[in-house]
Amino acid sequence: GNSVTQMEGPVTLSEEAFLTINCTYTATGYPSLFWYVQYPGEGLQLLLKATKADDKGSNKGFEATYRKETTSFHLEKGSVQVSDSAVYFCALKETGNQFYFGTGTSLTVIP
Amino acid sequence: DVKVTQSSRYLVKRTGEKVFLECVQDMDHENMFWYRQDPGLGLRLIYFSYDVKMKEKGDIPEGYSVSREKKERFSLILESASTNQTSMYLCASSLGTGERGYTFGSGTRLTVV
Repeated sequence: GNSVTQMEGPVTLSEEAFLTINCTYTATGYPSLFWYVQYPGEGLQLLLKATKADDKGSNKGFEATYRKETTSFHLEKGSVQVSDSAVYFCALKETGNQFYFGTGTSLTVIP
Repeated sequence: DVKVTQSSRYLVKRTGEKVFLECVQDMDHENMFWYRQDPGLGLRLIYFSYDVKMKEKGDIPEGYSVSREKKERFSLILESASTNQTSMYLCASSLGTGERGYTFGSGTRLTVV
């Protein structure tokens, strides 16, 4: 079946530190992969996506590369800001419309 | 700006009450979804709908039902609320095959006492 595994949080970083949040997936076919972000008190927002192997999704300084050989889609940012504090969800979509979400990773960035 | 609107941000209900959570989208999306979000468990799919009057069970449908009488509105119903249904409920919608991702509402935090 389909599933997504994210690194356990919470993650606490100082401003301008490098961020990596690991995400691996299991899928029977060739899924599209997504990262969503949830700011405090809000719903989830799409951050970036990649639809096929070796694609790189990027947005707001975040990026993730679809690695089919390692079934991974790790989220990275070179220099985090306090405003990046949020919960990050990795997700996959295979055939059909249903998404499968990871459990989320909470990020806190301190000044 | 496209929107998914959930009628309440916070709701407190008593055990045994029938509870309606409303979700409306203005994007003419065919697909609508209800999730609940709990710490350590992430998002779990309750029900979804690909068309008016159509519904499909997700991973945790027990204790819930849904209604989709109009394309833009998808209601989640807790037939007899219980304390273990205290949670954050998120509504989402998507277009076509969903390749553009979901658009989520802001969520309803339901407390059952």
